[in-house]
Amino acid sequence: AQRVTQPEKLLSVFKGAPVELKCNYSYSGSPELFWYVQYSRQRLQLLLRHISRESIKGFTADLNKGETSFHLKKPFAQEEDSAMYYCALIPAGTYKYIFGTGTRLKVLA
Amino acid sequence: SAVISQKPSRDICQRGTSLTIQCQVDSQVTMMFWYRQQPGQSLTLIATANQGSEATYESGFVIDKFPISRPNLTFSTLTVSNMSPEDSSIYLCSVSQTSSREQYFGPGTRLTVT
Repeated sequence: AQRVTQPEKLLSVFKGAPVELKCNYSYSGSPELFWYVQYSRQRLQLLLRHISRESIKGFTADLNKGETSFHLKKPFAQEEDSAMYYCALIPAGTYKYIFGTGTRLKVLA
Repeated sequence: SAVISQKPSRDICQRGTSLTIQCQVDSQVTMMFWYRQQPGQSLTLIATANQGSEATYESGFVIDKFPISRPNLTFSTLTVSNMSPEDSSIYLCSVSQTSSREQYFGPGTRLTVT
């Protein structure tokens, strides 16, 4: 079955500490993977996608097909990074997202 | 990008009644989707709203319970019919162009059924 797993519901780190939000997926083909973010009182928005291989707001994510993972990383967390983060997968040939359950990141001062 | 509005933003309804949620986009889009996000859970796709034809429903969702209309390329509605407390959820509309797999999300409609 196609599935996205985010094992941590809540992740708390101190400001300036490194952050890694875990995402594992279950899919037999070549998926397209995304990270979406929802800041407090804002709508869900795209943070980054694996095919663009870019860094957004200091975040990066590398697709590891061997480990079927797409972890989101940032070397130095900032308070404004506090938000809900969702990993999502689109199976090949579709436009339908499969979302993980989300991880709430709290960056403490 | 696309700007999406939803109406209503929230509502409290009695069981057995129906609520229609509207989704309006500021530009023509190819694809529109409806999601449900139950308390403490992830987003689950209800259906893809197809312009001029019947919506495509995901497993576990049926047209009788969640009828969807999409009369044009900028507007869609989702009706939650014969509501029960289990339908209490946030309902989200999203849009996408076939040229891009990025989806733009509306602000959501928070529904509480008593």
